Amino acid sequence: AQSVTQLDSHVSVSEGTPVLLRCNYSSSYSPSLFWYVQHPNKGLQLLLKYTSAATLVKGINGFEAEFKKSETSFHLTKPSAHMSDAAEYFCVVSDPNGSARQLTFGSGTQLTVLP
Amino acid sequence: KAGVTQTPRYLIKTRGQQVTLSCSPISGHRSVSWYQQTPGQGLQFLFEYFSETQRNKGNFPGRFSGRQFSNSRSEMNVSTLELGDSALYLCASSLWAGGNQPQHFGDGTRLSIL
Repeated sequence: AQSVTQLDSHVSVSEGTPVLLRCNYSSSYSPSLFWYVQHPNKGLQLLLKYTSAATLVKGINGFEAEFKKSETSFHLTKPSAHMSDAAEYFCVVSDPNGSARQLTFGSGTQLTVLP
Repeated sequence: KAGVTQTPRYLIKTRGQQVTLSCSPISGHRSVSWYQQTPGQGLQFLFEYFSETQRNKGNFPGRFSGRQFSNSRSEMNVSTLELGDSALYLCASSLWAGGNQPQHFGDGTRLSIL
């Protein structure tokens, strides 16, 4: 069984300040982990993925995430927020060896960027 | 390369009707998954198809069904629509069905039930 918890439903930051979106997961195997972003009236766009290679994963648009097995966390960070980063972010866990893949999505974190 | 295309973008139906949603995956992608997104339940997995075979199914009633064609295009059907079926339905494609494959999402079909 697998589960994912996004610890904050809403995060508000000022433009130019760091972003931290927190995600904890639970899994009985070594999972694949993803972060997706969803802008209003759009589908989900992949930001980055972790699949048991480097624990620090770099994604698009300056985002990165660090896989910490001891803390079962996969937090998403960005050094400097931009207005265009305002969106909803989803942390996702998956069984990489599953014969039939079924993703488990977190409940989402709404990021607001203040001018 | 064209992305995942979902049609139609918006649909309005009444209770008891049925609806068919369409998804064209990225060229070369053979796996298609469907998700329901609502404010209350978030993103929930409906089913996944690979090579015209349903590989996995989420916890939805039998009114929800789907299929995949030989060109990997997929359709989802919902019969006897209920008010609670109002949602954004998202389709995603990937090259293979493995769990480490990132999925590429379409912009969804917004279904409203009156």
